[in-house]
Amino acid sequence: DAGITQSPRHKVTETGTPVTLRCHQTENHRYMYWYRQDPGHGLRLIHYSYGVKDTDKGEVSDGYSVSRSKTEDFLLTLESATSSQTSVYFCAISERAGLGFTEAFFGQGTRLTVV
Amino acid sequence: AQTVTQSQPEMSVQEAETVTLSCTYDTSESDYYLFWYKQPPSRQMILVIRQEAYKQQNATENRFSVNFQKAAKSFSLKISDSQLGDAAMYFCAYRSFMEYGNKLVFGAGTILRVKS
Repeated sequence: DAGITQSPRHKVTETGTPVTLRCHQTENHRYMYWYRQDPGHGLRLIHYSYGVKDTDKGEVSDGYSVSRSKTEDFLLTLESATSSQTSVYFCAISERAGLGFTEAFFGQGTRLTVV
Repeated sequence: AQTVTQSQPEMSVQEAETVTLSCTYDTSESDYYLFWYKQPPSRQMILVIRQEAYKQQNATENRFSVNFQKAAKSFSLKISDSQLGDAAMYFCAYRSFMEYGNKLVFGAGTILRVKS
């Protein structure tokens, strides 16, 4: 199994509070991603990173920010959590392989509930 | 933007029987990759099978095979000899060959139930 750890695994927070989710990898992969999973929508990309300090927005980036100060860590921050951000969050990693990429390896997910 | 549609929210299959999960996608690109992921109750995302669009031959992985119809933009997953451990949510996903970053576009998923 790819070395990806998400923390925390579960969190309940109140509306309006800041929340940071952490993704840590031991594979030295350059590319890291945050997805959210919601019923009826599958997984949707929030933000991704293609190197230290290099990040870009995904499909559903509003209300989220990310940071990557080290290759192994990719942080997702909800500046002021809202109930619409209640979801399961997945981190994924991948790396270049020839002209393409390796498969994406996923973490175990974080269930976030905003009350 | 690319979209992926899974029109079957739930499917059931008897143990040892065969089931086919449907997936259609929309793209204007000619080169891309398609994937099926399995998500059991543990929430772990497991890659089941992948298909490169430039390959005419359908991918096969043991009991799992795909029917890739490029012109119809269809990518169905066939599970043969279904087992209780196959019960899970299955996601179809698309990845552009040209777009930077290995970003995946997922369908909404199909819950597969396996009856003993």
